[in-house]
Amino acid sequence: GENVEQHPSTLSVQEGDSAVIKCTYSDSASNYFPWYKQELGKRPQLIIDIRSNVGEKKDQRIAVTLNKTAKHFSLHITETQPEDSAVYFCAASKGRKTSYDKVIFGPGTSLSVIP
Amino acid sequence: GAVVSQHPSRVICKSGTSVKIECRSLDFQATTMFWYRQFPKQSLMLMATSNEGSKATYEQGVEKDKFLINHASLTLSTLTVTSAHPEDSSFYICSARGRSSGELFFGEGSRLTVL
Repeated sequence: GENVEQHPSTLSVQEGDSAVIKCTYSDSASNYFPWYKQELGKRPQLIIDIRSNVGEKKDQRIAVTLNKTAKHFSLHITETQPEDSAVYFCAASKGRKTSYDKVIFGPGTSLSVIP
Repeated sequence: GAVVSQHPSRVICKSGTSVKIECRSLDFQATTMFWYRQFPKQSLMLMATSNEGSKATYEQGVEKDKFLINHASLTLSTLTVTSAHPEDSSFYICSARGRSSGELFFGEGSRLTVL
């Protein structure tokens, strides 16, 4: 089955700096890669996602890149703010927008943005 | 986005009792829901895929007789932790994928404490 790895496990950055989180996946059939943000005691929320037919996607301060050949994908947060502090999970899934395909999560990265 | 509601948010029970957790999709029909378990400061571990009108599909290592899943309607899935023990104490969270976007929507989660 799919296995998703994520690095680093913890990350501290100064406010205004950039943060990068990297993930790898094992199943070459995976084609949907979402990123979730989870604040303490709350449910995970989707912040951005990318499909395998796209190499990069950007939404304001957040961008995601995908290298299908290497089975790598990364999250980039620019101009970090204290409210960006949370645990970030990458994930992978196969199937094309189907409701039944399971989503496998990476181990998570705890991001701390220091004011 | 779609709304998934989970109940109860917190439950404390004695060892040996059973606990039922409900997961409802409020504004869309979810033929498939997913149940995850999350230990403190750890990732979301997929337990099982709940399919409406049929048996759940359990991940390797998850005891199906311990964690009973029922998906009786298109908007309701339940997880029953049978004969709960302290090691079952955890955060259980359900989710469902939207039909059009493939995005995973999470319930609020249920924190189970077994004394």
